[in-house]
Amino acid sequence: ETGVTQTPRHLVMGMTNKKSLKCEQHLGHNAMYWYKQSAKKPLELMFVYSLEERVENNSVPSRFSPECPNSSHLFLHLHTLQPEDSALYLCASSQEVGRDLYNEQFFGPGTRLTVL
Amino acid sequence: QKEVEQDPGPLSVPEGAIVSLNCTYSNSAFQYFMWYRQYSRKGPELLMYTYSSGNKEDGRFTAQVDKSSKYISLFIRDSQPSDSATYLCAMSAGAGSYQLTFGKGTKLSVIP
Repeated sequence: ETGVTQTPRHLVMGMTNKKSLKCEQHLGHNAMYWYKQSAKKPLELMFVYSLEERVENNSVPSRFSPECPNSSHLFLHLHTLQPEDSALYLCASSQEVGRDLYNEQFFGPGTRLTVL
Repeated sequence: QKEVEQDPGPLSVPEGAIVSLNCTYSNSAFQYFMWYRQYSRKGPELLMYTYSSGNKEDGRFTAQVDKSSKYISLFIRDSQPSDSATYLCAMSAGAGSYQLTFGKGTKLSVIP
């Protein structure tokens, strides 16, 4: 595996289900991100982890719960979602900010989530 | 006013045409300006980035930043069907910033 991988690629869940999205990066990076991409809206940053510590939480509802057990893995735990949460969820990684002039973010292919 | 405005298109051009994609922004703190390309069913990939004002060229692609007008552009010369994708502009306040502010993306189709 190379780059950033995400599983599953597609997920359909009911509003009462609990599911998790998984992201793995094979780039040796130590910062990881969750983004939400909805139709006709810009990408929205949800969470950022740097060196396994959460450093950004952009007013995301508590029904989304991130977990970063190590610098290569990132999870997004989902529970009691709403239909408006249907979107493409993208994971990204970068080298830890502050060391480079610009921290290029490398994206995974995303998980297409549908909430019924 | 939204922080970053980008015409979503769709934009359809014949093969070989010159394509111009643009974004405007309102936050004068933005210092880094990026263009991402996103193919269908894929994540965005960085195409080019520019620091502050000026031009940057990479093959058929040229990025321009005019900070005085808060306007950025991406030009694609000799467009190819393989350039068909959604192009996202993104901006950052500075080195060490986690936050990228994206435009909505412009969907481009290059017709053979």
